[in-house]
Amino acid sequence: DTGVSQNPRHKITKRGQNVTFRCDPISEHNRLYWYRQTLGQGPEFLTYFQNEAQLEKSRLLSDRFSAERPKGSFSTLEIQRTEQGDSAMYLCASKMGGTANTGELFFGEGSRLTVL
Amino acid sequence: DQQVKQNSPSLSVQEGRISILNCDYTNSMFDYFLWYKKYPAEGPTFLISISSIKDKNEDGRFTVFLNKSAKHLSLHIVPSQPGDSAVYFCAASAVIRSRNSGGGADGLTFGKGTHLIIQP
Repeated sequence: DTGVSQNPRHKITKRGQNVTFRCDPISEHNRLYWYRQTLGQGPEFLTYFQNEAQLEKSRLLSDRFSAERPKGSFSTLEIQRTEQGDSAMYLCASKMGGTANTGELFFGEGSRLTVL
Repeated sequence: DQQVKQNSPSLSVQEGRISILNCDYTNSMFDYFLWYKKYPAEGPTFLISISSIKDKNEDGRFTVFLNKSAKHLSLHIVPSQPGDSAVYFCAASAVIRSRNSGGGADGLTFGKGTHLIIQP
């Protein structure tokens, strides 16, 4: 399978714990995005990378959130001191940027976080 | 501030009939529009898109119409099939990056989705 891969698919944690999600994009894609989706809402942009550079962060991304893409391939999203409001589906997506912009993002299946 | 709006949380259509899903946007800088389909426990999958230089794009049973003056687009599915039952998200992007788009450069701003139910 050469699509976007995310793990773990589901994480249950207690409030105050740290969690980390991993995303492996489609190998030739240089742009990688993180979105968050809560119940009844569409995906909301969190941050994106072009290669290893983090180029934009949403206001939704508080100081407890950090994302990295150290070698321009896989990415991690860490949430420190989780709160119940962090419970959501965290979606990763990738695309090849720099070409004619079709806007299409290829999404992974998501990592669902439940904070108790 | 919802820049992409899908005002119908759900829509029920009989199999074989036409499904029409609507989407409105407020940001004039949006110039590329997409529809994504999402099944439970899966990520969204791309369905069809349209550039702002066009007013219609067709792909098999799916057609997207864009009315720029009204800042409105719609997705038509005909004929509707049981496998079309899913949540449909309208999304928009701005080629010219704008911090006001809320989606990041080439990122997407999504609506809240419409749950389409195809009844046999």
